[in-house]
Amino acid sequence: NAGVTQTPKFRILKIGQSMTLQCTQDMNHNYMYWYRQDPGMGLKLIYYSVGAGITDKGEVPNGYNVSRSTTEDFPLRLELAAPSQTSVYFCASSYSNLGSADYGYTFGSGTRLTVV
Amino acid sequence: AQKITQTQPGMFVQEKEAVTLDCTYDTSDPSYGLFWYKQPSSGEMIFLIYQGSYDQQNATEGRYSLNFQKARKSANLVISASQLGDSAMYFCAMRGEGNDMRFGAGTRLTVKP
Repeated sequence: NAGVTQTPKFRILKIGQSMTLQCTQDMNHNYMYWYRQDPGMGLKLIYYSVGAGITDKGEVPNGYNVSRSTTEDFPLRLELAAPSQTSVYFCASSYSNLGSADYGYTFGSGTRLTVV
Repeated sequence: AQKITQTQPGMFVQEKEAVTLDCTYDTSDPSYGLFWYKQPSSGEMIFLIYQGSYDQQNATEGRYSLNFQKARKSANLVISASQLGDSAMYFCAMRGEGNDMRFGAGTRLTVKP
């Protein structure tokens, strides 16, 4: 099982450039998420999706956009990259059945992004 | 509002000893799940253990156990017989009846030989 696949693993961007972080899951999870983790900190929710065609903002959505055209894919778009977006980005997915361990997240391996 | 609090930024434990990592939570949801994740220096997030709010027994997974005290809203992780490979960041998390999971700030555990 591939689980949650994120690409790329590392990326250096120049200020003002744009890029898309890819996330694909093969577990037929309906929920998908994007988090960022700044050095030595916890995870902050950027955007999430409860199903294809449905997305919503999390705690820190500014400077990012998402789309969910299929169950499997949930790309994160960075427009006009800024140094404040230097972080590690995690994609995650889950089922929605409260009451089991499946309610937890399966994480991708992360994307380390540096904006210079 | 849901909140997870981990009050120990860093913890040290001697190899082969047990260690408890503290976690308290706050929620008004009647049903919720509590989770612990390990993040080694390589950066990935590894699921360790899950506790459901209606589970009568404390969860156990190998050397990991979750000390769940519902009335006190605490969900401490106990690692028995610590190993050098247990050195990592540990995150407590909760998912209630909403759409997403809330994470604590994490505890960095260092196992000394």
